Parts: sequence; C-alpha cells; structure tokens
Amino acid sequence: DVKVTQSSRYLVKRTGEKVFLECVQDMDHENMFWYRQDPGLGLRLIYFSYDVKMKEKGDIPEGYSVSREKKERFSLILESASTNQTSMYLCASSLSVRGETQYFGPGTRLLVL
Amino acid sequence: GQNIDQPTEMTATEGAIVQINCTYQTSGFNGLFWYQQHAGEAPTFLSYNVLDGLEEKGRFSSFLSRSKGYSYLLLKELQMKDSASYLCASDRTAGNNRKLIWGLGTSLAVNP
Repeated sequence: DVKVTQSSRYLVKRTGEKVFLECVQDMDHENMFWYRQDPGLGLRLIYFSYDVKMKEKGDIPEGYSVSREKKERFSLILESASTNQTSMYLCASSLSVRGETQYFGPGTRLLVL
Repeated sequence: GQNIDQPTEMTATEGAIVQINCTYQTSGFNGLFWYQQHAGEAPTFLSYNVLDGLEEKGRFSSFLSRSKGYSYLLLKELQMKDSASYLCASDRTAGNNRKLIWGLGTSLAVNP
C-alpha cells in the first residue's frame, strides 16, 4: 500500500512565524505535490516536484516555498505565516507515468493567529 | 481556459442511484479522474477513464465521452457512508507538467 505521511495533523502558529510542513512517501514516487484546500475554492496546487531538487510553481505559489532534497520527502515552507494561509494543506505523490493516481496524505490543518 | 465544472451539491436517498456529472475542457486531455473525499479526510482514488464508455467497479461506475468533454460518476445502492464530496479532475499532464485540473467537488448527502 502507498503511504503518504504528513508531519502534523493540526498546527497553530502566529502571524510572522516560519512554518515547515513535511511530507514523506514510501513508494519511490517521482512526483510530489502540495495543495491547499479551502471551502468553496477546492483543491489548489501550490507547488509540485517531478524529481529531486526540481520544483515547479503551481497555481498559488505566492507566500510559499518548497524543498525536495531527497526523493521521498517534500517540504512546504511558509516564510512568514499570515492569517490568509489558514487552511487544510494536503500533500500527494504519484509515479511519473501519464494517468497515474495521486495518493494523498492525511492533511495538515493549519491555523495562523 | 481550464474550466472543469460539476454541481456543488446533491442529495439522494439510501438505496437509490445517483449520477454526478462533470464537464471539462478537451484540449490536451489525457483522461479523467474521480476521487472521493469524506469530511476532514484526504481524497481517495475512485476511477480513471481514458477511453469512451462506462467502466464499472462494484457499486460505482464512471463514464467518459471525450468528444463531448463529459464524464459522470454513477453510484448505485447508495449507503449512508457514501455521503462525501466527489471530485473530478482532468488529466492534461504532458512532459514535466504534472498538474491535474480539479473541479470544486460535488457534496453528496445520502438521507435515510
């Protein structure tokens, strides 16, 4: 079974703090993704990576950065958290084959005060 | 554009059949995913259609018409546990572009 894990299920941070969200997958997938999900806005892609040290901007990269130093790990960084970054953050991974399923982690619900 | 459209909400009765529709832009299209997401949980894969026609998997079936840019998810013998959001996503990946185009989801409420 594919397993995608995220470092925290719930996180509370203060405005201006630097926040790290970690995602690890154990299936040797090439692709990894960070999404945020908000009511009425659906899943929105922040960044994705198709290989180690490679990253591509998604639809809403502003205010975020990412790091992929190892194939199994993809980190999302909020350099200076703001209240509008309060959201559910979902990590996903997939093989690098067209039509391959994205497998999601359990999500991190981040509250920025 | 990259629009992918599905109804926001649907309700149905336990034991009934419900069809959730999804329309998408056809340019660069490879296939169509359906995911299920229960409240507070992560999306989980249901189906992926590449070819036209109906694919059946137990109580759930998914249909695709490539020429019409149209898909539907059919849920039979509805159970209370089928109350969830159903997301369709268009696969338009090419080269290093791995992005899926996600719909906003259809929230299905199954009533006793």
